[in-house]
Amino acid sequence: DSGVTQTPKHLITATGQRVTLRCSPRSGDLSVYWYQQSLDQGLQFLIQYYNGEERAKGNILERFSAQQFPDLHSELNLSSLELGDSALYFCASSARWELGTQYFGPGTRLTVL
Amino acid sequence: EDKVVQSPLSLVVHEGDTVTLNCSYEVTNFRSLLWYKQEKKAPTFLFMLTSSGIEKKSGRLSSILDKKELSSILNITATQTGDSAIYLCAVEASNQFYFGTGTSLTVIP
Repeated sequence: DSGVTQTPKHLITATGQRVTLRCSPRSGDLSVYWYQQSLDQGLQFLIQYYNGEERAKGNILERFSAQQFPDLHSELNLSSLELGDSALYFCASSARWELGTQYFGPGTRLTVL
Repeated sequence: EDKVVQSPLSLVVHEGDTVTLNCSYEVTNFRSLLWYKQEKKAPTFLFMLTSSGIEKKSGRLSSILDKKELSSILNITATQTGDSAIYLCAVEASNQFYFGTGTSLTVIP
């Protein structure tokens, strides 16, 4: 158990809908990262927050947004869902600013029908 | 375009064999290279290599960064069935994080 929690574990929804994925980092970790893992594209970095501020942005679609709250938990919002958004979404946390030792949560499996 | 390439894509070996996994990268403003192990769940961190730490070792696993060749290798000696997993290489560069598609290792008893 990495200490990073993600909810829900599984999510099944229809195209066009909007969902919110939640992540609680390890106690004391200030940095939160979101990743998308699909079979055809591997692990893709989406976005990073550090102590509430966006720090780095990867290949995150405009339909996706994220935020980190004062208690350091983070949410990833996915809207106007498409079939291709079906994937495993991981959250990771680290104590520091840099990539370094990241601890991954168990992931949320999103299925868009 | 920045990218990270891993080879081989897949590897099947017998217990006790030694394996070498490769990762090459083409990025701007390289900062660090990381190795992760992913079984049927989330990736777990193995090593981080930087300009100031180009060689790491932990038990049967070791890794070397070759900044001249823009590559890294991950060695696993005396492989065990528990080493079966996907091994991911990631590079941090220019405030971005790039992952390779991974090498799938299967260790047969």
